[in-house]
Amino acid sequence: ETGVTQTPRHLVMGMTNKKSLKCEQHLGHNAMYWYKQSAKKPLELMFVYSLEERVENNSVPSRFSPECPNSSHLFLHLHTLQPEDSALYLCASSQDRTVGTGELFFGEGSRLTVL
Amino acid sequence: TQLLEQSPQFLSIQEGENLTVYCNSSSVFSSLQWYRQEPGEGPVLLVTVVTGGEVKKLKRLTFQFGDARKDSSLHITAAQPGDTGLYLCAGANNAGNMLTFGGGTRLMVKP
Repeated sequence: ETGVTQTPRHLVMGMTNKKSLKCEQHLGHNAMYWYKQSAKKPLELMFVYSLEERVENNSVPSRFSPECPNSSHLFLHLHTLQPEDSALYLCASSQDRTVGTGELFFGEGSRLTVL
Repeated sequence: TQLLEQSPQFLSIQEGENLTVYCNSSSVFSSLQWYRQEPGEGPVLLVTVVTGGEVKKLKRLTFQFGDARKDSSLHITAAQPGDTGLYLCAGANNAGNMLTFGGGTRLMVKP
């Protein structure tokens, strides 16, 4: 139990569906992240939120839309995805942005399959 | 763009053997972290090294940061099945606010 909870754990969706991934952290952290983990690529940072403000958006296609309504919750809204978007989506949080000497706390991930 | 290469990508050994995995880059990092990810879980931080040449020990795991802060190694002594997992290194930029992850080393320790 890392204090970061992701739902759903597994999601199968068609290319025309709209779905959302949810992340909640119970650690009182100020920064939250979405990462994509594919089979043959390093962990890819998608979005960073610090104090509910988006501070990083690593050239992610617009079919991925993040939302951070407060410092404890983070969503990733998905629409018109492609099969190559199938991956494990990991949410993480940290005390603040100084992750280099701090620590990322990851959730267990949401395994997404796009048919 | 800072890149981190990990080797080997896969490693399957018997319980009791020793092993070393490597994390290399042409870039300098302000710090380097090692995470372990078990099946069905997210990565969990094992250690952070900050100073060039630094060595840290965590029970049977020994972590070293290269003198030039471009590379790192993880040595496991007398591996156990519980060490099975994906080992990820991550280097931090100068500002310390961005981590670049390596591709990972998938370790399997057979009883």
